[in-house]
Amino acid sequence: EIVLTQSPTTMAASPGEKVTITCRASSSVSYMHWFQQKSGTSPKPWIYDTSKLASGVPDRFSGSGSGTSYSLTISSMEAEDAATYYCLQRSSYPPTWTFGGGTKLELK
Amino acid sequence: EVQLVESGGGLVQPGRSLKLSCAASGFTFSNYYMAWVRQAPKKGLEWVATISTSGSRTYYPDSVKGRFTISRDNAKSSLYLQMNSLKSEDTATYYCARQVMPTGWFAYWGQGTLVTVSS
Repeated sequence: EIVLTQSPTTMAASPGEKVTITCRASSSVSYMHWFQQKSGTSPKPWIYDTSKLASGVPDRFSGSGSGTSYSLTISSMEAEDAATYYCLQRSSYPPTWTFGGGTKLELK
Repeated sequence: EVQLVESGGGLVQPGRSLKLSCAASGFTFSNYYMAWVRQAPKKGLEWVATISTSGSRTYYPDSVKGRFTISRDNAKSSLYLQMNSLKSEDTATYYCARQVMPTGWFAYWGQGTLVTVSS
């Protein structure tokens, strides 16, 4: 089973600041998915297949990575980006899915 | 528009059972793998179960294997989660989600239904 470790656990960023959230896998994987969740709401699909933005996601967001290290980057923080972000990976067989522990991003 | 609407949550005593439902609309239900994902209060997300398009294959994490059963009725565009031998640690909001294989990307989510296991 793959274990996903996100860092940092919490962080605060000022408007306009660049933000990077990292997800590290316990073994090499070929992709990573990301979700955004705001308090009291359902998670939203955010980035899939490492770098593809889900529908409606602003292009200030990007995803990258390979092997055991993946990241979600916001080029310029905006107030609406304050949320918790989770990464997700699938183990091969039998299929199981594991989420990272989450990164809470706050507005400074 | 894709819609997933969960129901069936509530307060249940430890050791008892509960069945959740998810009504799907806006897409051809029988073409997609479906899943349940839960979130304990103030905690992160945990995948709970996945079912194949026909229902012939099901997958669970060890934390619920043997206690939870996922099923579907393609004629009714409905997904179910039968939860037996409930424990306090099963207290969570349960989300229904549509998956995109082969990676299992959770592309659509419902609004969730809260299950509270307490005496």
